[in-house]
Amino acid sequence: GESVGLHLPTLSVQEGDNSIINCAYSNSASDYFIWYKQESGKGPQFIIDIRSNMDKRQGQRVTVLLNKTVKHLSLQIAATQPGDSAVYFCAENITPPGSARQLTFGSGTQLTVLP
Amino acid sequence: NAGVTQTPKFQVLKTGQSMTLQCAQDMNHEYMSWYRQDPGMGLRLIYYSASEGTTDKGEVPNGYNVSRLNKREFSLRLESAAPSQTSVYFCASSRTGEGSPLHFGNGTRLTVT
Repeated sequence: GESVGLHLPTLSVQEGDNSIINCAYSNSASDYFIWYKQESGKGPQFIIDIRSNMDKRQGQRVTVLLNKTVKHLSLQIAATQPGDSAVYFCAENITPPGSARQLTFGSGTQLTVLP
Repeated sequence: NAGVTQTPKFQVLKTGQSMTLQCAQDMNHEYMSWYRQDPGMGLRLIYYSASEGTTDKGEVPNGYNVSRLNKREFSLRLESAAPSQTSVYFCASSRTGEGSPLHFGNGTRLTVT
């Protein structure tokens, strides 16, 4: 079936460096994508989203890039800080005909920021 | 403004027992949903409610029932708990069912022995 996946399960970066977290999706009908951050013991926290009619969107220290040709999504975090250490999930939105939106999540990438 | 509130935070059940997980949101959101999170498997959709009075199955609905009590509240019920239902359960809501981000509660950690 369709799936959302991540290239790397873990990522370690030095404090102050930029981080790039990648995500592959397989459903060409997906029209909306979201990145979430999840800290230990908490629920996922919304970071940034992008619609399929865009290829780039920037937030505060974060940028999401969407490449529909190769079905690839990435999250870039600038000047990574210790507080960025968490698990990051990408999610894709599919709205089947006659149904409400369903959000499908990848398995997550653990980002560790090294001092 | 509390966002999405889930109760209880922790629960231990014996096989065959029943329980209801409660969820309430104060953001006037139309769409509410329940997910379970297991190690290495990300979040999987159990049930969702696109609006008050409607509910639909997600990816893993077996063994669960839901009730959209009103616009604010969406409960998840386990009628006869099984060890395979040991998981962390998250409730989430969004403004609409189309292209708006989900806001999550902090989860209920359920262990079935």
